[in-house]
Amino acid sequence: GESVGLHLPTLSVQEGDNSIINCAYSNSASDYFIWYKQESGKGPQFIIDIRSNMDKRQGQRVTVLLNKTVKHLSLQIAATQPGDSAVYFCAENMPTGFQKLVFGTGTRLLVSP
Amino acid sequence: GAGVSQSPRYKVAKRGQDVALRCDPISGHVSLFWYQQALGQGPEFLTYFQNEAQLDKSGLPSDRFFAERPEGSVSTLKIQRTQQEDSAVYLCASSLQVSNQPQHFGDGTRLSIL
Repeated sequence: GESVGLHLPTLSVQEGDNSIINCAYSNSASDYFIWYKQESGKGPQFIIDIRSNMDKRQGQRVTVLLNKTVKHLSLQIAATQPGDSAVYFCAENMPTGFQKLVFGTGTRLLVSP
Repeated sequence: GAGVSQSPRYKVAKRGQDVALRCDPISGHVSLFWYQQALGQGPEFLTYFQNEAQLDKSGLPSDRFFAERPEGSVSTLKIQRTQQEDSAVYLCASSLQVSNQPQHFGDGTRLSIL
């Protein structure tokens, strides 16, 4: 399939390592944040979300951290697997009255067996 | 399946032709969104529907782009007099409520204008 993100920042890890993907968001008034995973030829797949009244949320093997002071999000993936290889996007919900998402640049995660 | 379905998956058109892209959202989802994704970039917002009402079309690049959702379910994005810069992946997403709910995406339509 076609490649998603030919010149994206890339994080290369070994299988079993923990991965941390970082994202800076733009609007201090954004109230909701989502991490998506996108594989080649596919649409973005929801991973985890967090509201602005929280600073940490955990899912299965994933944790999202929110630092509103510096407008920073991170996605931690525990025990990374080859199937985690993809492009990861953070998205912020702009305060428009409905969910208008603005996506970050994206980070390519490469997991070696 | 129960996800967002888009058709066609691939569309090739000659410059100047009109195209129509279809989105079937998840059943019962109130909100529907269209995004444009250029190669190597994140998706960019085009337009938003709440049921059949188009509440925001601020992201549509020009008046050649038109979207509709007449019965509050299926949506169509139409591009008239296509140009080469319209080549991109067009993604549709839906969510259950108006805000603070994750948007679920289809796999997109890859549009190539020759």
